[in-house]
Amino acid sequence: DQQVKQNSPSLSVQEGRISILNCDYTNSMFDYFLWYKKYPAEGPTFLISISSIKDKNEDGRFTVFLNKSAKHLSLHIVPSQPGDSAVYFCAANYGGSQGNLIFGKGTKLSVKP
Amino acid sequence: DTGVSQDPRHKITKRGQNVTFRCDPISEHNRLYWYRQTLGQGPEFLTYFQNEAQLEKSRLLSDRFSAERPKGSFSTLEIQRTEQGDSAMYLCASSFSRDPTSPLHFGNGTRLTVT
Repeated sequence: DQQVKQNSPSLSVQEGRISILNCDYTNSMFDYFLWYKKYPAEGPTFLISISSIKDKNEDGRFTVFLNKSAKHLSLHIVPSQPGDSAVYFCAANYGGSQGNLIFGKGTKLSVKP
Repeated sequence: DTGVSQDPRHKITKRGQNVTFRCDPISEHNRLYWYRQTLGQGPEFLTYFQNEAQLEKSRLLSDRFSAERPKGSFSTLEIQRTEQGDSAMYLCASSFSRDPTSPLHFGNGTRLTVT
């Protein structure tokens, strides 16, 4: 039973446009959510996070939105750049345990010049 | 910050053999984690240490798997009697426990292929 779901395996957008990556979760105990980016042959790299007490967190071109009632979060990248092309993983945990992150299967983003 | 280092990058072994992987975390990080990632899946938690203490183990970590962090610095993950289903990317990560918002920093992983 997947607790963190990324239902879109891939997404293609034009350079300069907005990329929206979505993530749904089932466990209402989750209180901390993160996005990681992964390039081929590299480990995941932390991108941005959000606590369940917030509904939005912004860092430069990246914004994460959290809708707790819908158990849904999204990552917005504006404007998208070709270097953003990577696999994006949504992850969640609870109880302050930073270790046992539950990851989704990832969404492969392709940003076309 | 030299990042999390994992060795080897690739390992090919025959079924039934034992393998051992090493992870060197970021030096000031006291927490160290092991994850496994198979094709088309996200990373799955295996176990983590705070200093030298192993604090949590996933049920994915069968009896054939053992992890150690004897001096609270580097860690090893050993798989005994490897099976083809063990083929995966094994990722190590580290973080600093005194900062609850400290994200995990991952290494580039060890890719294991069991033939």
